[in-house]
Amino acid sequence: DTGVSQNPRHKITKRGQNVTFRCDPISEHNRLYWYRQTLGQGPEFLTYFQNEAQLEKSRLLSDRFSAERPKGSFSTLEIQRTEQGDSAMYLCASSLEVEGNQPQHFGDGTRLSIL
Amino acid sequence: KQEVTQIPAALSVPEGENLVLNCSFTDSAIYNLQWFRQDPGKGLTSLLLIQSSQREQTSGRLNASLDKSSGRSTLYIAASQPGDSATYLCAVPDTGRRALTFGSGTRLQVQP
Repeated sequence: DTGVSQNPRHKITKRGQNVTFRCDPISEHNRLYWYRQTLGQGPEFLTYFQNEAQLEKSRLLSDRFSAERPKGSFSTLEIQRTEQGDSAMYLCASSLEVEGNQPQHFGDGTRLSIL
Repeated sequence: KQEVTQIPAALSVPEGENLVLNCSFTDSAIYNLQWFRQDPGKGLTSLLLIQSSQREQTSGRLNASLDKSSGRSTLYIAASQPGDSATYLCAVPDTGRRALTFGSGTRLQVQP
């Protein structure tokens, strides 16, 4: 069990650029979640996948955001035309949902800074 | 919509003290509650998960309790150490969903 892995750890970019983050969940975990966390706050839910299907998206996920999980393994989160307000820590979590009630395990996150 | 509140927002104690962190939630129809630890600039480490049918869970010096009817959970840390300094977050699945709703956390500083 190597844990949830996220890359890159840090991303600095200019406003208006596109960025893409990657998350590798714990192997065999069928659920994958994306959250966003700003300074001094708890994480806020963005979206989640069960295998390759995206089952839910938060209203926080504007049309500039898109997430994929091809083949039900790793996932990518892309932000197009970045804005200052997108600066945050983006966290990925995974869980093994068989009968529910399983803990979510988090990666170390990708910190995005928009100049 | 589920809302989670954590009190206090920050806490500073001398090493060796026992302490209690509080978490309250508005919708008691939860099926579990999870406590996490977050070090500065890092992700979240899962500490304890309490199922809705349980009253408490223990791991080492940590004990978490759950009172669903009153919408409250506490995290008890025994014999605190400087290495316990971190932000502690509680989270519950949002009503009818799998996504977690988090509190804003309690920032703990244990003084040596």
